[in-house]
Amino acid sequence: QLQLQESGPGLVKPSETLSLTCTVSGGSISTSLYYWGWIRQPPGKGLEWIGSSHYTRFTFHDPSLKGRVTISLDTSKNQFPLKLSSVTAADTAVYYCARQVKGTLYFDYWGKGILVTVSS
Amino acid sequence: QSVLTQPPSVSAAPGQKVTISCSGSSSNIGNNYVSWYQQLPGTAPRLLIYDNDKRPSEIADRFSGSKSGTSATLGITGLQTGDEADYYCGTWDSTLSAVVFGGGTKLTVL
Repeated sequence: QLQLQESGPGLVKPSETLSLTCTVSGGSISTSLYYWGWIRQPPGKGLEWIGSSHYTRFTFHDPSLKGRVTISLDTSKNQFPLKLSSVTAADTAVYYCARQVKGTLYFDYWGKGILVTVSS
Repeated sequence: QSVLTQPPSVSAAPGQKVTISCSGSSSNIGNNYVSWYQQLPGTAPRLLIYDNDKRPSEIADRFSGSKSGTSATLGITGLQTGDEADYYCGTWDSTLSAVVFGGGTKLTVL
């Protein structure tokens, strides 16, 4: 059974870089069939897609995040990190990592999520 | 303001049927596949429907999906109290070049 687990600091200061890691077990991220993505959910609000990456290094992300997003794949560790730079209070959210099916782009496996608060 | 429009809430009695709508445009629902997710309180979203109308094997056949034009619908029959959750639709938007979600619908089973 595929499992995804987010990890990282729960508190980040404004203007700094948010760094999270998703560790995948029960399957390899080095597969052509899937992307590996990040989605967030501000407190009391809906889901927001951040971006996704493929083991070929192809990456795509929400244009509204204006280049603040970096998603990479570490195939040696079966992990995919997320970096979000220049954070503000608006970036406070529960961050989920998920597997995304290539082609029709739905998310079939999700991590449990990690709350990240942006505050000084 | 979400690109996809869902009703904020729906409610029905146990054993009844409910439908949740998701309205979009030709740049998203009209030309791309729709998926639906269930988020029980305090938990991560779970895939309910993919490719408009397909169910993962572990999802009960009480859940169904359909799409017509620029709208999609999630149907739930034989409502149970355990179905109380937030439900989200999602798809690709070809104009925005982004995955988009609806604002979510809170289902209450009275």
